Amino acid sequence: EPEVTQTPSHQVTQMGQEVILRCVPISNHLYFYWYRQILGQKVEFLVSFYNNEISEKSEIFDDQFSVERPDGSNFTLKIRSTKLEDSAMYFCASRGGQGRVQPQHFGDGTRLSIL
Amino acid sequence: DAKTTQPPSMDCAEGRAANLPCNHSTISGNEYVYWYRQIHSQGPQYIIHGLKNNETNEMASLIITEDRKSSTLILPHATLRDTAVYYCIVLLAGNQFYFGTGTSLTVIP
Repeated sequence: EPEVTQTPSHQVTQMGQEVILRCVPISNHLYFYWYRQILGQKVEFLVSFYNNEISEKSEIFDDQFSVERPDGSNFTLKIRSTKLEDSAMYFCASRGGQGRVQPQHFGDGTRLSIL
Repeated sequence: DAKTTQPPSMDCAEGRAANLPCNHSTISGNEYVYWYRQIHSQGPQYIIHGLKNNETNEMASLIITEDRKSSTLILPHATLRDTAVYYCIVLLAGNQFYFGTGTSLTVIP
């Protein structure tokens, strides 16, 4: 069964550095998402992406964050000038284009640790 | 504000049916109910979704009340691997999912 894959599984970065989290969505999906989950807290929506542009973003997704689909398969989340509070699990998700009712399918996440 | 209300935790004996309730009293007519689960810190796993009819797949059954203000996820024969946090989600305007705190289900041997 096709799945969303994320790399790396664990990323350790010094505070202030830039980090890029990578995702390969399911191949025929058209909608892409990033969520994050701080340890012990809820899964929080960050951003959704469709047709090569952001379609929705949360208050968390400020100028520090950006997303890109650099080619036909990858979907990336860039965090500039990382802060300690950016430490979290970051989940990528994708869904098909057959209407809004199709479920999102999630990857197993990247654990980001900021030192 | 949370759109759904779930009990924080439940136990279920292995081999028995696990019935997980969810209240979504403010659901609108064209919003679907989705169920996901999260095992440890893995990514949320899709289970099932529905609009107003009951649904069944290889993982679970979803029972939605006639007024659509509540639903129940049924795992017919719970196993230890079903121990997880289960999230009931109503699709909001736009296409983001709002994850609440969910129900932590513990399957007991």
